[in-house]
Amino acid sequence: DAKTTQPNSMESNEEEPVHLPCNHSTISGTDYIHWYRQLPSQGPEYVIHGLTSNVNNRMASLAIAEDRKSSTLILHRATLRDAAVYYCILRDGGNAGNMLTFGGGTRLMVKP
Amino acid sequence: DAGVTQSPTHLIKTRGQHVTLRCSPISGHKSVSWYQQVLGQGPQFIFQYYEKEERGRGNFPDRFSARQFPNYSSELNVNALLLGDSALYLCASSLERGRHYEQYFGPGTRLTVT
Repeated sequence: DAKTTQPNSMESNEEEPVHLPCNHSTISGTDYIHWYRQLPSQGPEYVIHGLTSNVNNRMASLAIAEDRKSSTLILHRATLRDAAVYYCILRDGGNAGNMLTFGGGTRLMVKP
Repeated sequence: DAGVTQSPTHLIKTRGQHVTLRCSPISGHKSVSWYQQVLGQGPQFIFQYYEKEERGRGNFPDRFSARQFPNYSSELNVNALLLGDSALYLCASSLERGRHYEQYFGPGTRLTVT
């Protein structure tokens, strides 16, 4: 799977929007961009995924650059419960397997 | 609906011993994957099983093995434990294989090797 680069940590204030960036300059045309997050003392949980178009769900929005070399996970109103490690993952479009290749992720801290 | 369950929650073993970890996927999910998460790092892929067959293997030694049962539950076995095997072992299930399918993770089994 292609490599992703994320900042080690970010801070946000409660009830403000948060933009979590991810660079993936070597992405291939068939790679899907997935985001998972891991709350303290829990297993990772799925957040959102997309291929080319921006995506929205109840948890977050995913903005994908036109050249697909970067993406941004947007939390519209951060809450204390959103404090977690956020992982940006590329899933090989040519690989039918389920493997997720996790990097170091971004640790998001939310201040009240 | 129950999520992915794993047992035991914690266990402590001694170097050289053997350990078996268990995972029950979400009802109806046919694919189970195992990950190892060392403290301070992201999870690392160990195995994927689908319809009782191994469909993927990460860069782990042969001391690690797994299997999936007809009810889709799974076991991860680790032989000849080393101190470096101390980690959180995560099980994830998904409805099917493929990049479209979300993986649902269990809470993990914390293994400590002394």
